[in-house]
Amino acid sequence: QQQVKQSPQSLIVQKGGISIINCAYENTAFDYFPWYQQFPGKGPALLIAIRPDVSEKKEGRFTISFNKSAKQFSLHIMDSQPGDSATYFCAASMNSNSGYALNFGKGTSLLVTP
Amino acid sequence: DVKVTQSSRYLVKRTGEKVFLECVQDMDHENMFWYRQDPGLGLRLIYFSYDVKMKEKGDIPEGYSVSREKKERFSLILESASTNQTSMYLCASSPGNRGNEKLFFGSGTQLSVL
Repeated sequence: QQQVKQSPQSLIVQKGGISIINCAYENTAFDYFPWYQQFPGKGPALLIAIRPDVSEKKEGRFTISFNKSAKQFSLHIMDSQPGDSATYFCAASMNSNSGYALNFGKGTSLLVTP
Repeated sequence: DVKVTQSSRYLVKRTGEKVFLECVQDMDHENMFWYRQDPGLGLRLIYFSYDVKMKEKGDIPEGYSVSREKKERFSLILESASTNQTSMYLCASSPGNRGNEKLFFGSGTQLSVL
């Protein structure tokens, strides 16, 4: 059972546009929400992450918006560039006595056209 | 930089074979993980380990086992490989303490079971 639902499955954006990827979760015990970026032939790498005590976090052109009441969070990529073309995964985790593990969404394949 | 090394980039095995996938990390991380990545299904957690000799089942442990005899090494074992285990396998590690949940992934092992 997928604990984190991600949409859309794929996205095509023109260079300079805004890319938006959405995720939703059910488990209110989740307290850490990262986004990972994966290029072909590579493992995923952490892009940006947020905790539920803030509603937004920005790092350069990448912003996470977090809505605790709706149990949703999204990634916004401003001024999208062809080099941003990759697969993006949202994830969520909670702390527990036996450590933690990330629950990933199914991924969004982003293509930024020149 | 943290390095997570997976022993093979590509592996071809026969149905019924016992398969070992090896992963080594060089940053003294407490937590190690095995994920499976399939198109359209995202990353699914198979097993994780938060300490030497400790292991926890993930979402899809059936048909797999793991071994962590040393802190830096985490092995995934397919006792009797089947064609539905053809997939990309990703190993990851993380420091493990709250506030330091970043996962570092290896480049993956593409396993084909014929």
